[in-house]
Amino acid sequence: QVQLVQSGAEVKKPGASVKVSCKASGYTFSDYYIHWVRQSLGQGLEWMGRINPNSGGINYAQKFQGRVTMTRDTSISTAYMQLSKLRSDDTAVYFCARGSSWFFYFDHWGQGTLVTASS
Amino acid sequence: QSALTQPASVSGSPGQSITISCTGTSSDVGIYNHVSWYQQHPGKAPKLMIYDVSNRPSGVSNRFSGSKSGNTASLTISGLQADDEADYYCSSYTGSSTLYVFGTGTKVTVL
Repeated sequence: QVQLVQSGAEVKKPGASVKVSCKASGYTFSDYYIHWVRQSLGQGLEWMGRINPNSGGINYAQKFQGRVTMTRDTSISTAYMQLSKLRSDDTAVYFCARGSSWFFYFDHWGQGTLVTASS
Repeated sequence: QSALTQPASVSGSPGQSITISCTGTSSDVGIYNHVSWYQQHPGKAPKLMIYDVSNRPSGVSNRFSGSKSGNTASLTISGLQADDEADYYCSSYTGSSTLYVFGTGTKVTVL
């Protein structure tokens, strides 16, 4: 069965960077995109960007351009999302989700990673 | 890219039907049939309930249905059950640099 397993909670100081991982299993990693979506505490969902594990091609949401970096390691079926220059309002749960070039939705999700940016 | 607009809350009694609206613009919901709906229970990851406006993934109850008219998409839950109590989010493909936009979310309460 398809599974996306994310790394554990992180606490960072404002101005620092955080890197969250998302390990895929149960399917061919290179065949599907990995999207990143965040949810501020008690708030709605926000699309951050996606990576094509096969080509390495990336699309970032305009809001996060310049602060977010998405990468992947196909040898271990893992995608990464790094957010730099953290601010207190970056405190949120970050989800990875599976997508594709031939469908326009997110069919499987990771369990979420809480990132807290606090001094 | 602004968030799609959903009502903050909708409620209904067990067995009733409720409908959640999701209003976008002619740049997202109005032009693409790539509207999806997600159910999220507290502390859990979202779960895909409807894709491409009105299609249900395997395993999702046929009590959930979707539709679209103009810039507004809708999710209807019929035969409301206690476990349907959750937050629901719509999403649309936009084709712009910010490829996807989500709705503001709707809390469904089963009375």
